Amino acid sequence: EAGVVQSPRYKIIEKKQPVAFWCNPISGHNTLYWYLQNLGQGPELLIRYENEEAVDDSQLPKDRFSAERLKGVDSTLKIQPAELGDSAVYLCASSLGPDRGFNEQFFGPGTRLTVL
Amino acid sequence: AQSVAQPEDQVNVAEGNPLTVKCTYSVSGNPYLFWYVQYPNRGLQFLLKYITGDNLVKGSYGFEAEFNKSQTSFHLKKPSALVSDSALYFCAVRDETGANNLFFGTGTRLTVIP
Repeated sequence: EAGVVQSPRYKIIEKKQPVAFWCNPISGHNTLYWYLQNLGQGPELLIRYENEEAVDDSQLPKDRFSAERLKGVDSTLKIQPAELGDSAVYLCASSLGPDRGFNEQFFGPGTRLTVL
Repeated sequence: AQSVAQPEDQVNVAEGNPLTVKCTYSVSGNPYLFWYVQYPNRGLQFLLKYITGDNLVKGSYGFEAEFNKSQTSFHLKKPSALVSDSALYFCAVRDETGANNLFFGTGTRLTVIP
């Protein structure tokens, strides 16, 4: 069974440029998460989707960050415009839906973003 | 609000010796606790979880964790460390509102010395 797929793995951009990250969760996982991981820190939740609905986006900086999961499967996280402080690893994770109880999350390899 | 603390940024242990990576938690209600491992340039991998039941939880790769309610701890253990266990370990707790969110500690870097 394929795991969570993310692309690109690495991205280097100039500040003020836009950037997008893509995630394909494990088949059958209705819940999808985007996390931000700064160097030396644990992951911090940005947004959680249940199917196509964003049910928790309280930590998403909405002035420059946006996300979508149009068909309830894969998802895109966008930053526009990027700032120097956005340099970090962006992790995607998925899990079975809440109707299946609380289940462990499975993480993708992440996208390492460097903003110059 | 819920939180976990990993008091050690770095743990060094000799190969073959037992290892312990510490975690304490703070949460209202019954805790759901997790351990994840992260190898370089890779995502987090699930090791084990405690939801209810036995205080000693067994997980992947020979790891286990001991839940201690009175000390609000959930320490990760392994009887005999391998060099390949060297990685970054994260403790996490479920959102106390019941939402399927996790709150992670800052991580502990384990180095197993040959």
